[in-house]
Amino acid sequence: GENVEQHPSTLSVQEGDSAVIKCTYSDSASNYFPWYKQELGKGPQLIIDIRSNVGEKKDQRIAVTLNKTAKHFSLHITETQPEDSAVYFCAARRGGSQGNLIFGKGTKLSVKP
Amino acid sequence: ETGVTQSPTHLIKTRGQQVTLRCSSQSGHNTVSWYQQALGQGPQFIFQYYREEENGRGNFPPRFSGLQFPNYSSELNVNALELDDSALYLCASSLDISSDTQYFGPGTRLTVL
Repeated sequence: GENVEQHPSTLSVQEGDSAVIKCTYSDSASNYFPWYKQELGKGPQLIIDIRSNVGEKKDQRIAVTLNKTAKHFSLHITETQPEDSAVYFCAARRGGSQGNLIFGKGTKLSVKP
Repeated sequence: ETGVTQSPTHLIKTRGQQVTLRCSSQSGHNTVSWYQQALGQGPQFIFQYYREEENGRGNFPPRFSGLQFPNYSSELNVNALELDDSALYLCASSLDISSDTQYFGPGTRLTVL
């Protein structure tokens, strides 16, 4: 079955710097890759997603890149702010897999003012 | 447009008891998925419901069961609770069975003593 590895597990940056989180997946049939942000005591919030027919997607300070050949995808956050501090999860889904999102173990991002 | 809601927020049970968790999907969404999130881990898929039928199941024993009602709200039932069932239980709704995007509720924190 699908396996998603996420690195690093913790990341600390200065406000204004960029942050990059990387994920790899094992199932070449996976075609949907969302990123979620989870703040303490809350449910995961979708921040950006990408499908396998696209190599890059950007939304203001957030971008995601996908390399299908290497089976990895990355989240890039530019000009980080203290409110970006949270746990970030990547996930992968196989087409027609009946709702089964496979999540990475998460990255705790700390942005220091 | 209301988001995904879950009740209760917190719950404490003892080993061997049974528990029912509830979820109301986002307005207009007919597909609900349930996930278990252990402390420090990513969410793990339990099952998905579409039009009141189970439509996919993860690696969870039969004592985890569910229901979906005509208004698309859903319940997760867990029988014979074990200590390892202590976790955050998340409900996610999708517009339709063919939709990739899942929107999560705030979760129910279950503690089994």
